[in-house]
Amino acid sequence: TQTVSQSDAHVTVFEGDSVELRCNYSYGGSIYLSWYIQHHGRGLQFLLKYYSGNPVVQGVNGFEAEFSKSDSSFHLRKASVHWSDSAVYFCAVSPLNYGNEKITFGAGTKLTIKP
Amino acid sequence: DMKVTQMPRYLIKRMGENVLLECGQDMSHETMYWYRQDPGLGLQLIYISYDVDSNSEGDIPKGYRVSRKKREHFSLILDSAKTNQTSVYFCASSFAGDEQYFGPGTRLTVL
Repeated sequence: TQTVSQSDAHVTVFEGDSVELRCNYSYGGSIYLSWYIQHHGRGLQFLLKYYSGNPVVQGVNGFEAEFSKSDSSFHLRKASVHWSDSAVYFCAVSPLNYGNEKITFGAGTKLTIKP
Repeated sequence: DMKVTQMPRYLIKRMGENVLLECGQDMSHETMYWYRQDPGLGLQLIYISYDVDSNSEGDIPKGYRVSRKKREHFSLILDSAKTNQTSVYFCASSFAGDEQYFGPGTRLTVL
């Protein structure tokens, strides 16, 4: 069984700042990692995914994430945040052979952007 | 337009009443999901459906059942709702095990 940890429940930055949202997982086999964003009162929206190849993956709206097997991490980054990036971000992991049947979501990180 | 819809968006029920939550998608995705979201817990998978009449329990299926008679529709049923089933429920769909498309959610309150 895999686990996923998002160590920061809340992150606050100023508009234009860079930000990194942390995600660590534990699982012994090949894994599928993804990030989702949830704006207030809405459903989750897919940002990006990784399961093989280049460990740095690009997503929508300038987001990128880097997979590190040695650190068991998949941190999300953005170079310059906009007020519209204020939302809750969820990291999700699932064993590559099981797909979403065994998906586990982190508890989420609430990102607040100050003007 | 790729879309997942959920009805109703808000629902208040009394303990012991039956609850029906409906979900639809227009992408012909064979796989659909029901989750519940509670503060600080992320999303928990209730049921997954691989296609019509091909459903599988997720992590927290107790107290819930599902029905999928058409590929584009997936229903979540609570027989005799309990107060601890008060939550926000999300439906999602995907092509196989790939990225999921989520609906807007249903906020259910059981009094």
